[in-house]
Amino acid sequence: AQRVTQPEKLLSVFKGAPVELKCNYSYSGSPELFWYVQYSRQRLQLLLRHISRESIKGFTADLNKGETSFHLKKPFAQEEDSAMYYCALKYSGGSNYKLTFGKGTLLTVNP
Amino acid sequence: DADVTQTPRNRITKTGKRIMLECSQTKGHDRMYWYRQDPGLGLRLIYYSFDVKDINKGEISDGYSVSRQAQAKFSLSLESAIPNQTALYFCATSDSQGAGVWNEQFFGPGTRLTVL
Repeated sequence: AQRVTQPEKLLSVFKGAPVELKCNYSYSGSPELFWYVQYSRQRLQLLLRHISRESIKGFTADLNKGETSFHLKKPFAQEEDSAMYYCALKYSGGSNYKLTFGKGTLLTVNP
Repeated sequence: DADVTQTPRNRITKTGKRIMLECSQTKGHDRMYWYRQDPGLGLRLIYYSFDVKDINKGEISDGYSVSRQAQAKFSLSLESAIPNQTALYFCATSDSQGAGVWNEQFFGPGTRLTVL
């Protein structure tokens, strides 16, 4: 069965410090992973997806199949990055996919 | 702007009451989902629908039912609410016809439900 693990419920860093939110997955198929973010009092939104290999708001994430990880990184955290972050795995075959989410990491960036 | 809306945004009810949460979307998407969010448990899929005639159970469907009244509407019902159904409920949509392999899920603002 597919599973997404985010080992840290809470992560606190200072402004300007590097930040890494960890995500590990378990899936027998070909994985597609995503990071979703939920800012305070806002709806959940897609931050980035591994297939795009993009950098959004300074965040990057590389899929490491050997370590089954998809950690989210930013070299210099900003206060506006404070939010709840969810790692998600797309599963099921063909076009009928679903997402399974990790339990989330609440990131607080202190001034 | 095309959007995903949920009503009500907040609801307090009593154990045993029947509750319906509604989701509407103007994005023209064919796929709709219901999730619940609990602190420390993340988002868990309750039900999903890939088109009007397709309804599927998610990982935690017990105690819930859904109705896809139209492509744009997907309702979640709690037939007899219980306190452990207190949570934040999110509706989401996606488009199976979008470009590329991945079709992003777009979330509504959420409904905060409290069952006393």
